[in-house]
Amino acid sequence: GQQLNQSPQSMFIQEGEDVSMNCTSSSIFNTWLWYKQEPGEGPVLLIALYKAGELTSNGRLTAQFGITRKDSFLNISASIPSDVGIYFCAGLLISNSGYALNFGKGTSLLVTP
Amino acid sequence: SQTIHQWPATLVQPVGSPLSLECTVEGTSNPNLYWYRQAAGRGLQLLFYSVGIGQISSEVPQNLSASRPQDRQFILSSKKLLLSDSGFYLCAWSNGVRQPQHFGDGTRLSIL
Repeated sequence: GQQLNQSPQSMFIQEGEDVSMNCTSSSIFNTWLWYKQEPGEGPVLLIALYKAGELTSNGRLTAQFGITRKDSFLNISASIPSDVGIYFCAGLLISNSGYALNFGKGTSLLVTP
Repeated sequence: SQTIHQWPATLVQPVGSPLSLECTVEGTSNPNLYWYRQAAGRGLQLLFYSVGIGQISSEVPQNLSASRPQDRQFILSSKKLLLSDSGFYLCAWSNGVRQPQHFGDGTRLSIL
């Protein structure tokens, strides 16, 4: 599958700080997805992006679908302790031969009060 | 609204024993269903997906198999578990391949 490079691998920040993470790929995608996973639970969808250049917000979260269709970023503003978790990007590619959903390796976020 | 249920939440099995993990979806019809394995809290690996009853696509050769006996039921099985089968297994559904996948809470499988 297509390789997704997600960075940073981990972040340790103070409550109130803004957070930025991104995913890049050498391949283009039709859709970018961002998930959050807390310990012992399944990933929860945060934001879905369907068009190149699309900028979408969900509360304090903002994500963008890169114009080249090869990258996406997720920003979290004014972080709070409950933002702790692992954030995954995922790129969906649909072609005549089928579909492929590839996940990044995750960004582990720790927020201190 | 749609919900997805996985069970059991935790399972401890000896090497060589059989496995059956179940996943059901409610509130939607003819969903796409998926089984993933996640190692060490990172990196989701797609194992199987299904676009309809009895239709299973295998992504990675495994000691595992999947079945979809009903529209909203997806089962992950093994005849003989290996130590390497330990991990966190996640089921997911979507309304078509173009739509985002939604995950269950997972099953933590430990092989002794």
